[in-house]
Amino acid sequence: GDKVKQSPSALSLQEGTNSALRCNFSIAATTVQWFLQNPRGSLINLFYLVPGTKENGRLKSAFDSKESYSTLHIRDAQLEDSGTYFCAAVNTNTGKLTFGDGTVLTVKP
Amino acid sequence: ETAVFQTPNYHVTQVGNEVSFNCKQTLGHDTMYWYKQDSKKLLKIMFSYNNKQLIVNETVPRRFSPQSSDKAHLNLRIKSVEPEDSAVYLCASSLTGKVFGPGTRLTVL
Repeated sequence: GDKVKQSPSALSLQEGTNSALRCNFSIAATTVQWFLQNPRGSLINLFYLVPGTKENGRLKSAFDSKESYSTLHIRDAQLEDSGTYFCAAVNTNTGKLTFGDGTVLTVKP
Repeated sequence: ETAVFQTPNYHVTQVGNEVSFNCKQTLGHDTMYWYKQDSKKLLKIMFSYNNKQLIVNETVPRRFSPQSSDKAHLNLRIKSVEPEDSAVYLCASSLTGKVFGPGTRLTVL
């Protein structure tokens, strides 16, 4: 079946530092979404991507459809960035959306 | 406010009872979904539905059924709950990327 592998599975950052999350797909993907699930459980849209890059504030995401991966860069991490980050990819052939297992990010003061 | 709304936020019930969760979207999207998020935070699609087609994930037990009155509403009924149904149920809608509701946390005693 379709597989979306996220790495790392967990990450701890000091406030103010930078890091990157990665998502590898076993499928040819047409679009990618990144979400943040906050401690209250809400899934918040971060990015919706076709191949290319997008930037929003301290977040930047890239999607390389040829190499079947996507990255999410966090710059100047803040305490409120803590939560679980999910990527999800849409299979080019079937249209099915598959989620990764998430990266649990903890930002410490 | 345009968003995806879910009620209730939480529901506790006993094995064998029937439950129903509501979902409404005011985004004007054509397609709505139900996802189940288990205790390991894994997200699995249960149903996708637009006014023409219902697509069911074949692993979903028959006691689950979606109910739609119009394209802005997609409710989820569970006929006779089991302990393994304890999870967070997330409703979403999409035009391009998916927008999620806040979720309904079900606990089956």
